[in-house]
Amino acid sequence: NAGVTQTPKFRVLKTGQSMTLLCAQDMNHEYMYWYRQDPGMGLRLIHYSVGEGTTAKGEVPDGYNVSRLKKQNFLLGLESAAPSQTSVYFCASSFSPGTLYGYTFGSGTRLTVV
Amino acid sequence: EDQVTQSPEALRLQEGESSSLNCSYTVSGLRGLFWYRQDPGKGPEFLFTLYSAGEEKEKERLKATLTKKESFLHITAPKPEDSATYLCAVQGGSGTYKYIFGTGTRLKVLA
Repeated sequence: NAGVTQTPKFRVLKTGQSMTLLCAQDMNHEYMYWYRQDPGMGLRLIHYSVGEGTTAKGEVPDGYNVSRLKKQNFLLGLESAAPSQTSVYFCASSFSPGTLYGYTFGSGTRLTVV
Repeated sequence: EDQVTQSPEALRLQEGESSSLNCSYTVSGLRGLFWYRQDPGKGPEFLFTLYSAGEEKEKERLKATLTKKESFLHITAPKPEDSATYLCAVQGGSGTYKYIFGTGTRLKVLA
């Protein structure tokens, strides 16, 4: 099993450009999450989904949009990238929120906005 | 405000030198405390979930314990392959889907 796969792994954007980060999981998990990780700060939740067709805002949602049209995929969009969105983005999935088995994370997307 | 503080920020150990990492937390109604391991350039990997004070979990050279205010990750006779960043997270009663992550402890085990 591949687990959680994120694409792309690296990307450089110019300010104002848009892009979509793709997350795919093959574990039939209901719950999916997008986090960002910045130096000196803990992982922060951007958006999450509790099932196909649902999305909700996390701790730092501004500047991002998400969609979950299929259960196995969770997309994170940046409509107009800003330097403050330079970060490492992680997707995660789980059977249920805060579970005995924790979250399964992808390997991350390193995004630089110049 | 829910908060998680990990200490130390970084730790260097000789192979075989046991030590402990600390995770102090403030949360309304703890639902669970989680430990993850993160290797450079990779996503966090789940290690343990602890639910109540007094609970302990073990995996190979790692043992996690929980009190009402903090958790310890004890590393017994570490090996170089234990080198990683160890993250602590808590889930409180205020938000079902909200984990609060600490900033981690970077562990380096020297051969």
